[in-house]
Amino acid sequence: ETGVTQTPRHLVMGMTNKKSLKCEQHLGHNAMYWYKQSAKKPLELMFVYSLEERVENNSVPSRFSPECPNSSHLFLHLHTLQPEDSALYLCASSQDTTPFYGYTFGSGTRLTVV
Amino acid sequence: AQKVTQAQTEISVVEKEDVTLDCVYETRDTTYYLFWYKQPPSGELVFLIRRNSFDEQNEISGRYSWNFQKSTSSFNFTITASQVVDSAVYFCALRETSGSRLTFGEGTQLTVNP
Repeated sequence: ETGVTQTPRHLVMGMTNKKSLKCEQHLGHNAMYWYKQSAKKPLELMFVYSLEERVENNSVPSRFSPECPNSSHLFLHLHTLQPEDSALYLCASSQDTTPFYGYTFGSGTRLTVV
Repeated sequence: AQKVTQAQTEISVVEKEDVTLDCVYETRDTTYYLFWYKQPPSGELVFLIRRNSFDEQNEISGRYSWNFQKSTSSFNFTITASQVVDSAVYFCALRETSGSRLTFGEGTQLTVNP
């Protein structure tokens, strides 16, 4: 266990479904991140939250909607996804957004869109 | 723009061999941080090392060592006497001081065969 917990570990959803990914950390970190990891591609930063405020949004399609209700929890709401959205979605946290701190990652949610 | 290149997509070695994973980066910042992460089959990225741009001293930690050369913008990672448990995908990453983004290379899949 890294201190960052992601649920579910695996998710299969149809293109018309609505689902949510959950990330939880109890490390006392103030920044949380969503990354997408597709096969044969670098990890792509999707969203950055610092103290529950979104600080970066990297041209992510609106079918992905993040939510950070408090500094310990981060959600990624999914709706009307496409098959190319199938990937490993990784959540990470860090002390804050200053570069000095590395990230602590969760084990990811393996998403398959059918 | 920042960029990290890991030219070796896959490396296969026999146990007890030494292996070096290459990482080359691009940045316009004079202050930045470099990281290596390990991703075992379980999925989570495990932090291995952080190096800041002002510290070019090489580091050794057990069987792991890192060679940071600012002149060639490289931050290579060597595993000595490799073991089967070292089999994983290894990512090099760069974080500039001017943003909150951790940029990853495409990763190197290391397979250590018994």
